[in-house]
Amino acid sequence: DAKTTQPNSMESNEEEPVHLPCNHSTISGTDYIHWYRQLPSQGPEYVIHGLTSNVNNRMASLAIAEDRKSSTLILHRATLRDAAVYYCILSGQGGSEKLVFGKGTKLTVNP
Amino acid sequence: KAGVTQTPRYLIKTRGQQVTLSCSPISGHRSVSWYQQTPGQGLQFLFEYFSETQRNKGNFPGRFSGRQFSNSRSEMNVSTLELGDSALYLCASGRGQGISETQYFGPGTRLLVL
Repeated sequence: DAKTTQPNSMESNEEEPVHLPCNHSTISGTDYIHWYRQLPSQGPEYVIHGLTSNVNNRMASLAIAEDRKSSTLILHRATLRDAAVYYCILSGQGGSEKLVFGKGTKLTVNP
Repeated sequence: KAGVTQTPRYLIKTRGQQVTLSCSPISGHRSVSWYQQTPGQGLQFLFEYFSETQRNKGNFPGRFSGRQFSNSRSEMNVSTLELGDSALYLCASGRGQGISETQYFGPGTRLLVL
């Protein structure tokens, strides 16, 4: 399984943008980059995913490097409800939707 | 649309017993995956089912098993429980159409083995 590397923790202030980095130097051409987050006492929640191009949705933006060896999840204005563990995951198991979670980045949002 | 439901939400068992956990996926979803979450090991993939067939399996002992029914509901069973099986067991459902599909997670079943 292709691996990802994320910082253990990050801090942000409320209403400021947050850039969560992820390195995936062994990514293959068919691997999708997924981001999920897990709020305290809840199951993981889908945030965004992409293959090659940058992606935007109502929750966040995903910026993918041209060589695809790294990506950045961007929360445009952090709120206290965004405090969670953020996981960057690659999926590429042919036909399978298996997710291989790493340790993730614990995001703290300060009021 | 109702989300993924898991029952029971909390469970206490003793060593040596067995346990069955249930997961009802989102209506129309055909794949169900199971994950174990512990403080030490994080989130680990257990197995994935699609159309009643196990499509993928994680690195867990044979005491962990699962199945999927024709209505896509899934159960997982753990036999001969050990203290180390105490964990949050999460179920996720998806449409089953491949690696780009979004997974929707349930709230989990918290199992405590005494």
